[in-house]
Amino acid sequence: QQQVKQSPQSLIVQKGGISIINCAYENTAFDYFPWYQQFPGKGPALLIAIRPDVSEKKEGRFTISFNKSAKQFSLHIMDSQPGDSATYFCAASITPGTASKLTFGTGTRLQVTL
Amino acid sequence: GAGVSQSPSNKVTEKGKDVELRCDPISGHTALYWYRQSLGQGLEFLIYFQGNSAPDKSGLPSDRFSAERTGGSVSTLTIQRTQQEDSAVYLCASSFGGSSRRETQYFGPGTRLLVL
Repeated sequence: QQQVKQSPQSLIVQKGGISIINCAYENTAFDYFPWYQQFPGKGPALLIAIRPDVSEKKEGRFTISFNKSAKQFSLHIMDSQPGDSATYFCAASITPGTASKLTFGTGTRLQVTL
Repeated sequence: GAGVSQSPSNKVTEKGKDVELRCDPISGHTALYWYRQSLGQGLEFLIYFQGNSAPDKSGLPSDRFSAERTGGSVSTLTIQRTQQEDSAVYLCASSFGGSSRRETQYFGPGTRLLVL
């Protein structure tokens, strides 16, 4: 049972364009939604995260949009750059105040072309 | 400061052999996690440790997999009688844990395991 579904599997965007990656979740108990960026041969690194009490969070060129009623959230990368070419994973967890495992989507491989 | 480190970075083994993978978390982090990343797949949770609490082993795929964390710091993931389907990248992460809601997980570079 895949609790977090991510699309698209791969994405090609021209430099300067907007990259959009979507995720949908099933478990309404999830209350923490991070996005991780992974470069080849490296471990994932936190990019940006959101809690369901807000509908949008922006950090620089990266924005998370969150739709609680639809159980969906998305990552928008504005002014995409070749250096953004990486694999992006959405994730979700329940945070009872202590450590909690992350449930990941299957990843989106982003390629930003010149 | 130092991040999460893992060793070895690569491991090639023969089917049926046992392997041990090591993780050194960030100093001061009380929570430690193991995930598995198979080719073209997302990250699959295996196990996590939080302080002195009993570990959450709910993600371990079979009884051939086990993990321990000694002294609240270093962790070892052991796979016994390895199978070809165990080939994957094994990632370790750590976080502050506790009640601070500082839940960001910091990942190590992973150990790439190939079972022949």
